[in-house]
Amino acid sequence: NAGVTQTPKFRVLKTGQSMTLLCAQDMNHEYMYWYRQDPGMGLRLIHYSVGEGTTAKGEVPDGYNVSRLKKQNFLLGLESAAPSQTSVYFCASSYSKDRGYEQYFGPGTRLTVT
Amino acid sequence: KQEVTQIPAALSVPEGENLVLNCSFTDSAIYNLQWFRQDPGKGLTSLLLIQSSQREQTSGRLNASLDKSSGRSTLYIAASQPGDSATYLCAVRPRGAGSYQLTFGKGTKLSVIP
Repeated sequence: NAGVTQTPKFRVLKTGQSMTLLCAQDMNHEYMYWYRQDPGMGLRLIHYSVGEGTTAKGEVPDGYNVSRLKKQNFLLGLESAAPSQTSVYFCASSYSKDRGYEQYFGPGTRLTVT
Repeated sequence: KQEVTQIPAALSVPEGENLVLNCSFTDSAIYNLQWFRQDPGKGLTSLLLIQSSQREQTSGRLNASLDKSSGRSTLYIAASQPGDSATYLCAVRPRGAGSYQLTFGKGTKLSVIP
């Protein structure tokens, strides 16, 4: 099992550019999540999905969009990048209720917006 | 709003020492609590998950306890090793609506000195 994988690992964008981060999981998890991690702020939930074709907003959704067209993939899009979106982005997936929604994380994508 | 606090922010101990990491939360209406480990530049690794009905969980040299009424959890690491050096995060999942959203503490950075 590869677990949760993320591409790319690093990216530098200029203000106003767009990009898509890809998350894939091979554990057949129903739930998937996108977080950002910033110094002094901890981990904050951006968007999440409780199943294929469904998405919902988390704590800090502004400036991001997501899609879950296939159960194993969860995409995070930045339509017009801003320096405030410089961060490390983590994708996670989880089991459902019978396993306590235990979350498993990917290795992260380090994004710099100049 | 749920707040999760981890004190101290950093801890340095000599190899072989037993140690306790603390996690406190303000709202006791939780579904479960999860402890993670994060190595520098890496994603989060799930260590233990404690359901709200449980008092403790054990995995190898790790033991996590939960006292929901007082809003506290501890992670006990026995016979610490240099390989235990990492940042340890706790996260709580609320009960009921919005139960998909974990609230994370900011972590305790542990250094085990050989």
